[in-house]
Amino acid sequence: DAKTTQPPSMDCAEGRAANLPCNHSTISGNEYVYWYRQIHSQGPQYIIHGLKNNETNEMASLIITEDRKSSTLILPHATLRDTAVYYCIVRGRENRDDKIIFGKGTRLHILP
Amino acid sequence: KAGVTQTPRYLIKTRGQQVTLSCSPISGHRSVSWYQQTPGQGLQFLFEYFSETQRNKGNFPGRFSGRQFSNSRSEMNVSTLELGDSALYLCASSLVPSSYNEQFFGPGTRLTVL
Repeated sequence: DAKTTQPPSMDCAEGRAANLPCNHSTISGNEYVYWYRQIHSQGPQYIIHGLKNNETNEMASLIITEDRKSSTLILPHATLRDTAVYYCIVRGRENRDDKIIFGKGTRLHILP
Repeated sequence: KAGVTQTPRYLIKTRGQQVTLSCSPISGHRSVSWYQQTPGQGLQFLFEYFSETQRNKGNFPGRFSGRQFSNSRSEMNVSTLELGDSALYLCASSLVPSSYNEQFFGPGTRLTVL
């Protein structure tokens, strides 16, 4: 089973910020939170990752709660090209038997 | 620089047959990971190879196997195919193992088992 839970779908108006939540209440101390997205008919694309501090890059921001049991991916100005399935996963940096499971993700619809 | 390539892109097999899928990583990348994606289960990790050695393995039966060659190209094999093996099989490459933030995915091979 996936170690994360996400809403199955969300809508966001074009130009607005898209905030995608993820719960990972069983995350352990050495596990990072990673976000990927998958646009239809393509392989997943890495977005961002973090351990406990908030992170920002050219694509998105990642807000991790202080207890690390949940996080939010923020796409600051959503465009139609951001329509995709977004996956939140937790994984260790070096774990030989890391049974990595992406789960079902959140299908984000950007509305014109 | 060419991306990750997977062949074939589409494949139809019948139950009981075996299948071999191929993945060529980005030039210079030595780590290759394989994933299975189905509508019901989402994206699940199969295994990871680096320098011709399996470093990591997901929770799949022994019918699923793989290997990596000295040029970093990788193949995965599924024997005694079952209907439930119908899925999109994705390959991802990275420079070194477990570089999840630098992992690039290929377009996948869509396998249909009849």
